[in-house]
Amino acid sequence: DGGITQSPKYLFRKEGQNVTLSCEQNLNHDAMYWYRQDPGQGLRLIYYSQIVNDFQKGDIAEGYSVSREKKESFPLTVTSAQKNPTAFYLCASQRQRGGPTTDTQYFGPGTRLTVL
Amino acid sequence: SQQGEEDPQALSIQEGENATMNCSYKTSINNLQWYRQNSGRGLVHLILIRSNEREKHSGRLRVTLDTSKKSSSLLITASRAADTASYFCATGQYSSASKIIFGSGTRLSIRP
Repeated sequence: DGGITQSPKYLFRKEGQNVTLSCEQNLNHDAMYWYRQDPGQGLRLIYYSQIVNDFQKGDIAEGYSVSREKKESFPLTVTSAQKNPTAFYLCASQRQRGGPTTDTQYFGPGTRLTVL
Repeated sequence: SQQGEEDPQALSIQEGENATMNCSYKTSINNLQWYRQNSGRGLVHLILIRSNEREKHSGRLRVTLDTSKKSSSLLITASRAADTASYFCATGQYSSASKIIFGSGTRLSIRP
């Protein structure tokens, strides 16, 4: 899992609540990513950030929000607008050399979110 | 829609045998990467092959890329119990320099 930590490992949310997932990296990487993984499926990109104070929507950004105030941190908030948030959430980082098409992504251990 | 599609979806082999997984994709790519995911964990990068490369080796792993057929294969030789995991291919595309797209994965089980 490299130098990326995610917390908590398990998270339970009541309907209507916002919850925030933490992602921290000490690899000095510029770029960070959030993915969602549903059972038996691949990863889908939620948001990504290539530099501090800037981020871009991925393929499934609706119902999620992010911030990138520090290079080391890229928290993801799952809002009440996300109707089906139960999933495994993975954070990744990458040394910025032209984007993820040219380099390796390092993943955190993931957070499993369950809606009660 | 997913760019990379792995085949087979699940594979069970005897320890010591070779395991071959395939990945097909639809659009032009910059490179193709293979990742491994143990159950309930994050992904671990295995190998990256660029669009101008045809074959790459790393230990017991061998990856091939055929851009004319838009396909790649991952071969794991002399499989071990520790190889039990899901394996994903991920493609980086010319059309989007900031994203890679993951397939749905192959679940590999190694029988002792």
